[in-house]
Amino acid sequence: ILNVEQSPQSLHVQEGDSTNFTCSFPSSNFYALHWYRWETAKSPEALFVMTLNGDEKKKGRISATLNTKEGYSYLYIKGSQPEDSATYLCAFYTDKLIFGTGTRLQVFP
Amino acid sequence: GAGVSQSPSNKVTEKGKDVELRCDPISGHTALYWYRQSLGQGLEFLIYFQGNSAPDKSGLPSDRFSAERTGGSVSTLTIQRTQQEDSAVYLCASSLAGEGEQYFGPGTRLTVT
Repeated sequence: ILNVEQSPQSLHVQEGDSTNFTCSFPSSNFYALHWYRWETAKSPEALFVMTLNGDEKKKGRISATLNTKEGYSYLYIKGSQPEDSATYLCAFYTDKLIFGTGTRLQVFP
Repeated sequence: GAGVSQSPSNKVTEKGKDVELRCDPISGHTALYWYRQSLGQGLEFLIYFQGNSAPDKSGLPSDRFSAERTGGSVSTLTIQRTQQEDSAVYLCASSLAGEGEQYFGPGTRLTVT
Protein backbone atom coordinates (compact mmCIF):
# COMPACT_ATOMS: atom_id res chain seq x y z
CA ILE A 1 0.00 0.00 0.00
CA LEU A 2 1.46 3.35 -1.05
CA ASN A 3 1.23 6.11 1.54
CA VAL A 4 1.35 9.78 0.73
CA GLU A 5 1.64 11.76 3.95
CA GLN A 6 1.02 15.46 4.32
CA SER A 7 1.77 17.69 7.26
CA PRO A 8 0.54 19.59 9.01
CA GLN A 9 -3.08 18.50 8.74
CA SER A 10 -4.24 22.10 9.21
CA LEU A 11 -2.67 25.49 9.55
CA HIS A 12 -3.95 28.91 10.59
CA VAL A 13 -1.84 31.93 9.69
CA GLN A 14 -2.22 35.69 9.60
CA GLU A 15 -2.36 37.60 6.35
CA GLY A 16 1.18 38.40 5.25
CA ASP A 17 2.78 35.38 6.93
CA SER A 18 4.79 32.97 4.83
CA THR A 19 4.12 29.29 5.30
CA ASN A 20 5.10 25.88 4.03
CA PHE A 21 3.75 22.34 4.01
CA THR A 22 5.34 18.95 3.53
CA CYS A 23 4.42 15.98 1.36
CA SER A 24 6.19 12.64 1.96
CA PHE A 25 5.99 9.82 -0.53
CA PRO A 26 7.73 6.52 -1.33
CA SER A 27 11.17 7.18 -2.81
CA SER A 28 11.09 4.07 -5.01
CA ASN A 29 9.31 3.82 -8.38
CA PHE A 30 8.89 7.58 -8.55
CA TYR A 31 7.34 8.99 -11.67
CA ALA A 32 5.69 12.32 -10.81
CA LEU A 33 4.54 14.42 -7.89
CA HIS A 34 1.56 16.78 -8.20
CA TRP A 35 0.29 19.66 -6.07
CA TYR A 36 -3.36 20.77 -6.21
CA ARG A 37 -5.33 23.53 -4.54
CA TRP A 38 -8.86 22.64 -3.45
CA GLU A 39 -11.10 25.50 -2.44
CA THR A 40 -14.32 24.87 -0.57
CA ALA A 41 -17.29 24.11 -2.87
CA LYS A 42 -14.99 23.88 -5.89
CA SER A 43 -13.00 21.11 -7.58
CA PRO A 44 -9.24 20.63 -7.15
CA GLU A 45 -7.05 22.62 -9.53
CA ALA A 46 -3.48 21.72 -10.44
CA LEU A 47 -0.66 23.92 -9.19
CA PHE A 48 2.41 21.94 -10.21
CA VAL A 49 3.48 18.66 -11.76
CA MET A 50 7.06 17.79 -10.87
CA THR A 51 9.10 14.94 -12.29
CA LEU A 52 12.80 15.59 -11.72
CA ASN A 53 14.78 15.40 -8.52
CA GLY A 54 15.72 18.94 -7.50
CA ASP A 55 12.82 20.45 -9.46
CA GLU A 56 11.70 23.84 -8.24
CA LYS A 57 8.50 25.36 -9.61
CA LYS A 58 6.95 28.76 -8.98
CA LYS A 59 3.58 30.32 -9.71
CA GLY A 60 3.19 33.80 -8.29
CA ARG A 61 3.66 33.63 -4.52
CA ILE A 62 3.52 29.83 -4.48
CA SER A 63 6.53 27.62 -5.08
CA ALA A 64 7.43 23.96 -4.64
CA THR A 65 10.55 21.86 -4.38
CA LEU A 66 11.08 18.16 -4.93
CA ASN A 67 13.51 15.63 -3.47
CA THR A 68 12.85 12.23 -5.01
CA LYS A 69 15.82 10.51 -3.32
CA GLU A 70 14.47 11.12 0.16
CA GLY A 71 10.81 11.22 -0.87
CA TYR A 72 9.55 14.66 0.04
CA SER A 73 8.24 17.84 -1.52
CA TYR A 74 7.67 21.23 0.08
CA LEU A 75 5.05 23.77 -0.94
CA TYR A 76 5.76 27.38 0.06
CA ILE A 77 3.38 30.33 0.11
CA LYS A 78 4.99 33.74 0.50
CA GLY A 79 2.95 36.54 2.04
CA SER A 80 -0.26 34.55 2.53
CA GLN A 81 -3.54 36.20 1.57
CA PRO A 82 -7.09 35.28 2.65
CA GLU A 83 -7.77 34.02 -0.89
CA ASP A 84 -5.03 31.40 -0.38
CA SER A 85 -7.32 29.67 2.12
CA ALA A 86 -7.89 26.18 0.73
CA THR A 87 -6.84 22.57 1.14
CA TYR A 88 -3.54 21.83 -0.56
CA LEU A 89 -3.22 18.28 -1.85
CA CYS A 90 -0.17 16.47 -3.07
CA ALA A 91 -0.40 13.34 -5.21
CA PHE A 92 2.21 10.74 -6.09
CA TYR A 93 2.17 8.91 -9.40
CA THR A 94 3.64 5.45 -9.79
CA ASP A 95 1.14 3.31 -11.71
CA LYS A 96 -1.73 5.61 -10.76
CA LEU A 97 -2.14 8.91 -8.96
CA ILE A 98 -2.53 8.60 -5.19
CA PHE A 99 -3.55 11.66 -3.19
CA GLY A 100 -2.53 12.61 0.31
CA THR A 101 -5.15 13.79 2.80
CA GLY A 102 -4.17 17.41 2.36
CA THR A 103 -3.17 20.42 4.44
CA ARG A 104 -6.06 22.75 5.23
CA LEU A 105 -4.82 26.35 5.24
CA GLN A 106 -6.80 29.23 6.70
CA VAL A 107 -5.45 32.74 6.31
CA PHE A 108 -6.96 35.34 8.62
CA PRO A 109 -7.06 39.03 7.64
CA GLY B 1 -12.38 24.70 -24.48
CA ALA B 2 -14.82 22.40 -22.71
CA GLY B 3 -13.67 20.99 -19.42
CA VAL B 4 -14.68 17.81 -17.64
CA SER B 5 -18.42 17.64 -17.09
CA GLN B 6 -20.39 15.45 -14.71
CA SER B 7 -24.05 14.72 -14.36
CA PRO B 8 -26.19 14.95 -12.42
CA SER B 9 -24.78 17.68 -10.19
CA ASN B 10 -26.95 16.49 -7.31
CA LYS B 11 -28.68 13.20 -6.74
CA VAL B 12 -30.90 12.23 -3.84
CA THR B 13 -31.88 8.59 -3.74
CA GLU B 14 -33.49 6.16 -1.34
CA LYS B 15 -31.46 3.47 0.32
CA GLY B 16 -31.45 0.33 -1.78
CA LYS B 17 -31.89 2.04 -5.15
CA ASP B 18 -29.30 1.94 -7.92
CA VAL B 19 -27.69 5.14 -9.23
CA GLU B 20 -25.61 6.02 -12.28
CA LEU B 21 -23.18 8.90 -12.34
CA ARG B 22 -21.78 10.17 -15.62
CA CYS B 23 -18.46 11.76 -16.52
CA ASP B 24 -17.55 13.39 -19.84
CA PRO B 25 -13.78 13.87 -19.91
CA ILE B 26 -11.85 16.39 -21.97
CA SER B 27 -11.64 15.22 -25.57
CA GLY B 28 -8.40 13.40 -26.27
CA HIS B 29 -7.60 12.63 -22.64
CA THR B 30 -6.68 8.97 -22.35
CA ALA B 31 -6.73 8.75 -18.57
CA LEU B 32 -9.88 8.99 -16.45
CA TYR B 33 -10.13 8.69 -12.67
CA TRP B 34 -13.07 8.48 -10.29
CA TYR B 35 -12.70 9.69 -6.69
CA ARG B 36 -15.07 10.39 -3.86
CA GLN B 37 -15.01 12.75 -0.93
CA SER B 38 -17.04 11.73 2.05
CA LEU B 39 -17.92 14.36 4.65
CA GLY B 40 -14.77 15.64 6.32
CA GLN B 41 -12.53 13.25 4.41
CA GLY B 42 -9.95 13.63 1.65
CA LEU B 43 -9.99 12.33 -1.90
CA GLU B 44 -10.54 8.59 -2.00
CA PHE B 45 -9.40 6.84 -5.18
CA LEU B 46 -12.04 4.57 -6.71
CA ILE B 47 -11.07 3.50 -10.23
CA TYR B 48 -8.66 4.46 -13.02
CA PHE B 49 -9.03 3.97 -16.78
CA GLN B 50 -5.98 4.37 -19.03
CA GLY B 51 -6.49 4.01 -22.76
CA ASN B 52 -7.47 0.50 -23.73
CA SER B 53 -5.86 -1.13 -20.70
CA ALA B 54 -7.88 -3.01 -18.13
CA PRO B 55 -9.06 -0.52 -15.50
CA ASP B 56 -7.46 -0.38 -12.06
CA LYS B 57 -10.43 -1.12 -9.80
CA SER B 58 -8.43 -1.46 -6.62
CA GLY B 59 -10.17 1.48 -4.92
CA LEU B 60 -13.75 0.34 -5.34
CA PRO B 61 -15.10 -0.12 -1.80
CA SER B 62 -17.44 -3.03 -2.53
CA ASP B 63 -18.86 -5.12 -5.35
CA ARG B 64 -21.87 -2.79 -5.38
CA PHE B 65 -19.65 -0.31 -7.21
CA SER B 66 -18.78 -0.67 -10.88
CA ALA B 67 -17.66 1.61 -13.67
CA GLU B 68 -17.23 1.48 -17.38
CA ARG B 69 -15.77 3.70 -20.00
CA THR B 70 -17.29 3.45 -23.46
CA GLY B 71 -15.27 4.20 -26.57
CA GLY B 72 -12.43 5.60 -24.50
CA SER B 73 -14.50 8.64 -23.65
CA VAL B 74 -17.61 8.87 -21.45
CA SER B 75 -17.55 6.97 -18.17
CA THR B 76 -20.39 5.82 -15.96
CA LEU B 77 -20.02 4.94 -12.28
CA THR B 78 -22.83 2.69 -11.05
CA ILE B 79 -23.68 2.08 -7.42
CA GLN B 80 -26.14 -0.74 -6.81
CA ARG B 81 -28.31 -1.05 -3.72
CA THR B 82 -27.11 2.27 -2.33
CA GLN B 83 -26.36 2.60 1.36
CA GLN B 84 -26.25 5.73 3.51
CA GLU B 85 -22.47 5.47 3.75
CA ASP B 86 -22.32 5.94 -0.03
CA SER B 87 -23.36 9.58 0.48
CA ALA B 88 -20.45 11.68 -0.79
CA VAL B 89 -19.27 13.95 -3.57
CA TYR B 90 -18.11 11.85 -6.51
CA LEU B 91 -15.43 13.53 -8.59
CA CYS B 92 -14.17 12.57 -12.01
CA ALA B 93 -10.85 13.74 -13.45
CA SER B 94 -9.14 13.26 -16.79
CA SER B 95 -5.61 13.80 -18.03
CA LEU B 96 -3.69 13.49 -21.29
CA ALA B 97 -1.74 10.61 -19.82
CA GLY B 98 -1.97 8.79 -16.52
CA GLU B 99 0.79 10.78 -14.88
CA GLY B 100 -0.25 14.15 -16.27
CA GLU B 101 -2.01 17.08 -14.70
CA GLN B 102 -5.55 16.17 -13.80
CA TYR B 103 -8.58 18.24 -14.72
CA PHE B 104 -11.47 17.72 -12.37
CA GLY B 105 -15.16 17.89 -13.07
CA PRO B 106 -17.55 19.77 -10.77
CA GLY B 107 -18.60 16.58 -9.02
CA THR B 108 -21.89 14.85 -8.27
CA ARG B 109 -23.22 15.19 -4.74
CA LEU B 110 -24.96 11.94 -3.86
CA THR B 111 -27.26 11.79 -0.87
CA VAL B 112 -28.74 8.45 0.17
CA THR B 113 -31.73 8.80 2.47
